[in-house]
Amino acid sequence: GAVVSQHPSRVICKSGTSVKIECRSLDFQATTMFWYRQFPKQSLMLMATSNEGSKATYEQGVEKDKFLINHASLTLSTLTVTSAHPEDSSFYICSARLLQGAYEQYFGPGTRLTVT
Amino acid sequence: GDSVTQMEGPVTLSEEAFLTINCTYTATGYPSLFWYVQYPGEGLQLLLKATKADDKGSNKGFEATYRKETTSFHLEKGSVQVSDSAVYFCALGAGGTSYGKLTFGQGTILTVHP
Repeated sequence: GAVVSQHPSRVICKSGTSVKIECRSLDFQATTMFWYRQFPKQSLMLMATSNEGSKATYEQGVEKDKFLINHASLTLSTLTVTSAHPEDSSFYICSARLLQGAYEQYFGPGTRLTVT
Repeated sequence: GDSVTQMEGPVTLSEEAFLTINCTYTATGYPSLFWYVQYPGEGLQLLLKATKADDKGSNKGFEATYRKETTSFHLEKGSVQVSDSAVYFCALGAGGTSYGKLTFGQGTILTVHP
């Protein structure tokens, strides 16, 4: 149980275009999902917390107009990288919290974004 | 703020060797502590957890004990296998304004040779 999927697993886009990444909880409802960015050989950096039906909460230094997050249902959150640039190339990972108030998170397999 | 520090990697061991990956933390209050593992090409998986002082988390032969006095949560395994090769992340979940968020260490790459 507690499976989280991401789509796509890899995406290559041209500079200036927008890319949408989907995160789905497959066998549970997630009121809260998280979006992380992972640089090579580095830890996960939390970008934002996504709550179903409300606006996402962004971490300091993360541009909310560039990284648009939508959590329209209890099983789906999306991250849209707008006007992508090569420096946005990274590994994006989502996670979902199984229980309200719990710290335990279940992670998706990640999406490799390459901006050319 | 909250932080997690893991021992520098990478760690390279022979099969059946003893493994220790050190993890120390700084947090206000009483955080929950976790070890996550990321196998090549896969997402992070929860390996084990401990929610209060002196708790021992264990799974798949791995163990870690929540030591409040030393603010540590070291990961150990008595006999590693090639299949344990992965990146290991120590993480904490704290309360207050960070409620529900996880803070991760930098990750330790483990490679086990036959």
